[in-house]
Amino acid sequence: NAGVMQNPRHLVRRRGQEARLRCSPMKGHSHVYWYRQLPEEGLKFMVYLQKENIIDESGMPKERFSAEFPKEGPSILRIQQVVRGDSAAYFCASSPQPGTGYEQYFGPGTRLTVT
Amino acid sequence: GQNIDQPTEMTATEGAIVQINCTYQTSGFNGLFWYQQHAGEAPTFLSYNVLDGLEEKGRFSSFLSRSKGYSYLLLKELQMKDSASYLCAVGDSNYQLIWGAGTKLIIKP
Repeated sequence: NAGVMQNPRHLVRRRGQEARLRCSPMKGHSHVYWYRQLPEEGLKFMVYLQKENIIDESGMPKERFSAEFPKEGPSILRIQQVVRGDSAAYFCASSPQPGTGYEQYFGPGTRLTVT
Repeated sequence: GQNIDQPTEMTATEGAIVQINCTYQTSGFNGLFWYQQHAGEAPTFLSYNVLDGLEEKGRFSSFLSRSKGYSYLLLKELQMKDSASYLCAVGDSNYQLIWGAGTKLIIKP
């Protein structure tokens, strides 16, 4: 049973370009979470999605950032017109239906560097 | 507001015992999680407490007191590989995880 998969693992973008980060949840998991982590800092919640629905995007900047989790395929976190401050590790996590044992399982992360 | 507090950094000696505390104030409570995160890696799940008391899992134990809004992670027989950040997270009334900033644990020989 494969774990949470994220790609690419490392992404370099120039200021003003677009970054697309992909996340495939664990088999059987229908809940996906995106987090951002700056060096030496904690996880910052960005967005929580279920298939075809955004449940909570309160942690995501209103501009330039968007996320989706289509019926087929991986979840996508998109950052348009990237700036240097977007450089961070972006982690995706998935979980089964909330309830008993709903721990989140993390992917390896995508390290975004904006030059 | 919602708040998770844990120490920023702790230092301990190889072979010793260390206790990492976590206090929380959240809207609702659906369990408390501890995760381990090595530098440059993803967090990995360590433990889950939803009832008061101590849960033991090998060298690691986690304790919860819901009335006090308090938990701790106890690490015994410390090994160098235990050097990592330890993240406390609480499930709120919507089963969303509220994350602490993490405690960086430094193990010295």
